[in-house]
Amino acid sequence: GQQVMQIPQYQHVQEGEDFTTYCNSSTTLSNIQWYKQRPGGHPVFLIQLVKSGEVKKQKRLTFQFGEAKKNSSLHITATQTTDVGTYFCAGDRRLRSGYSTLTFGKGTMLLVSP
Amino acid sequence: ETGVTQSPTHLIKTRGQQVTLRCSSQSGHNTVSWYQQALGQGPQFIFQYYREEENGRGNFPPRFSGLQFPNYSSELNVNALELDDSALYLCASSLDSGLAYEQYFGPGTRLTVT
Repeated sequence: GQQVMQIPQYQHVQEGEDFTTYCNSSTTLSNIQWYKQRPGGHPVFLIQLVKSGEVKKQKRLTFQFGEAKKNSSLHITATQTTDVGTYFCAGDRRLRSGYSTLTFGKGTMLLVSP
Repeated sequence: ETGVTQSPTHLIKTRGQQVTLRCSSQSGHNTVSWYQQALGQGPQFIFQYYREEENGRGNFPPRFSGLQFPNYSSELNVNALELDDSALYLCASSLDSGLAYEQYFGPGTRLTVT
């Protein structure tokens, strides 16, 4: 079945440094979503990418979807302590019913020291 | 906050017992998905309900079952609890199940099986 892998599993940075997490799928994705989960919290939707090669920006966050729609990345410029959390990518998976759901990666935990 | 609520917040059960978890979806959403999130892992898809019908299931045994009601709220039932069932159970509602729409997660129910 479809697998979604994320690297690194964990990264600790100093405030102001950049951070990147990578997501790779074993199959071509219809779309990919990114979520952030704060410690003790629940996943919160960040963005959805649909088109091959798509790049979207949200303030200091830049999201990319690969040309082959099998990989994606999230880059944070000049991290802040508020960026702490685990970032998950989730790929669209088509069910036998024809409907879709999401296959989540294991996430990248980001720690930011002031 | 997403408007998705779950109850109870925490639950402690003994191996072999049965448990029912509840979820109220966001207003206007007709699709509810249930996920199991073990510590340090990404959410794992259990099943999805669309307009009161189960329309997809992940790799979970039949002792995991569910219901969706006419108001689109939902229940997750787990029979014959095992120690490995200890996890955070998340429900997520979305506008539709035809595509991988943005998932609005609830705060989760932390289940501990002893």
